[in-house]
Amino acid sequence: QQPVQSPQAVILREGEDAVINCSSSKALYSVHWYRQKHGEAPVFLMILLKGGEQKGHEKISASFNEKKQQSSLYLTASQLSYSGTYFCGTANYGGSQGNLIFGKGTKLSVKP
Amino acid sequence: NAGVTQTPKFRVLKTGQSMTLLCAQDMNHEYMYWYRQDPGMGLRLIHYSVGEGTTAKGEVPDGYNVSRLKKQNFLLGLESAAPSQTSVYFCASSYLRGRDNEQFFGPGTRLTVL
Repeated sequence: QQPVQSPQAVILREGEDAVINCSSSKALYSVHWYRQKHGEAPVFLMILLKGGEQKGHEKISASFNEKKQQSSLYLTASQLSYSGTYFCGTANYGGSQGNLIFGKGTKLSVKP
Repeated sequence: NAGVTQTPKFRVLKTGQSMTLLCAQDMNHEYMYWYRQDPGMGLRLIHYSVGEGTTAKGEVPDGYNVSRLKKQNFLLGLESAAPSQTSVYFCASSYLRGRDNEQFFGPGTRLTVL
């Protein structure tokens, strides 16, 4: 079951904050976040493996709410380099043979 | 380390033609994957492998075959290409099981089927 990402697109000015959400209809084992710039390969940001876990580095962090079956990615004080499409990938308990199912992505544009 | 490499980078086929996409990784990863990416669809898993000599179907396997004769290589074949297979294909690898580990992606192959 493909996770649902929201919003589909967001436009920010440099220095503004953004939140991207990822929701699943099934119980989640893990949530992964990737960023893809136009014409390039997806690049790993972080994995969240436990319910309630929060991870981050510098100004990008994420949380995982196992009960609500959702994860949120937080981008603080955005920079031009944050522009790209953000994908969450989810792994469910007992399904998908331990593979990830990716959402459709959230396109983030940061303007000067 | 080159990481994950893919050849070719671009290819144009006519309907009915066949081709093979090659993926190679130099990180000694056990797991390898083939995804396709279409506009607005995200990444969809075609086939994957959990080790040398093994392959398994993903979400969208129809029309594709794969082989993993060597640990470092994972080949994706299209026996009779169709316009619906026009897409960007990404190979990825991970040290162990995908749900627990970071996946490293190759640069992609842009395939157009006329």
